[in-house]
Amino acid sequence: GENVEQHPSTLSVQEGDSAVIKCTYSDSASNYFPWYKQELGKRPQLIIDIRSNVGEKKDQRIAVTLNKTAKHFSLHITETQPEDSAVYFCAASWDDYKLSFGAGTTVTVRA
Amino acid sequence: NAGVTQTPKFRILKIGQSMTLQCTQDMNHNYMYWYRQDPGMGLKLIYYSVGAGITDKGEVPNGYNVSRSTTEDFPLRLELAAPSQTSVYFCASTQGAGAGNQPQHFGDGTRLSIL
Repeated sequence: GENVEQHPSTLSVQEGDSAVIKCTYSDSASNYFPWYKQELGKRPQLIIDIRSNVGEKKDQRIAVTLNKTAKHFSLHITETQPEDSAVYFCAASWDDYKLSFGAGTTVTVRA
Repeated sequence: NAGVTQTPKFRILKIGQSMTLQCTQDMNHNYMYWYRQDPGMGLKLIYYSVGAGITDKGEVPNGYNVSRSTTEDFPLRLELAAPSQTSVYFCASTQGAGAGNQPQHFGDGTRLSIL
């Protein structure tokens, strides 16, 4: 399957600052890269995704970039707010509609 | 439209007991998945199904079985519960079947403890 590595494992930022989470993947055939946010005790929820034919995608304060040559993709959260505190997971597709997930990044936004 | 529904939400089992985790979706999705999430870890794929009557192993299938008799339902069975199966289990679904990769929609999870 696909091997996805995610860094950092924890991230603490001041409210209003930006947060960046980076992931690398191993399978050059991967073509779909979603990001999920999981609050404590809740289900993972999709916040943004990107496909391999696009280099960047933005949705309000959230953006994702993809570098297929280097096989890495990143999540950028600008103007962080306390409600952004959660665990964020990156994922990469493999072998027809399956996803491999990173280990997660715990983001804490300090007021 | 309830999305993906999992039952039960919590369960405590004794070692060696068996149980079935239920998952149903009302979005007419073709593909369904079972994941487990251990503390501080990402999601690991246990089993998946591309349609009724078709199932296949994921990354960590040992100790589990699944069936898919209808499009809506995808139960996960633990036959001889072991402490290593203590985890949170998530069911997910996506359209699949020629729609290209689409987001997977998750249920609320089942928190399972084996003592």
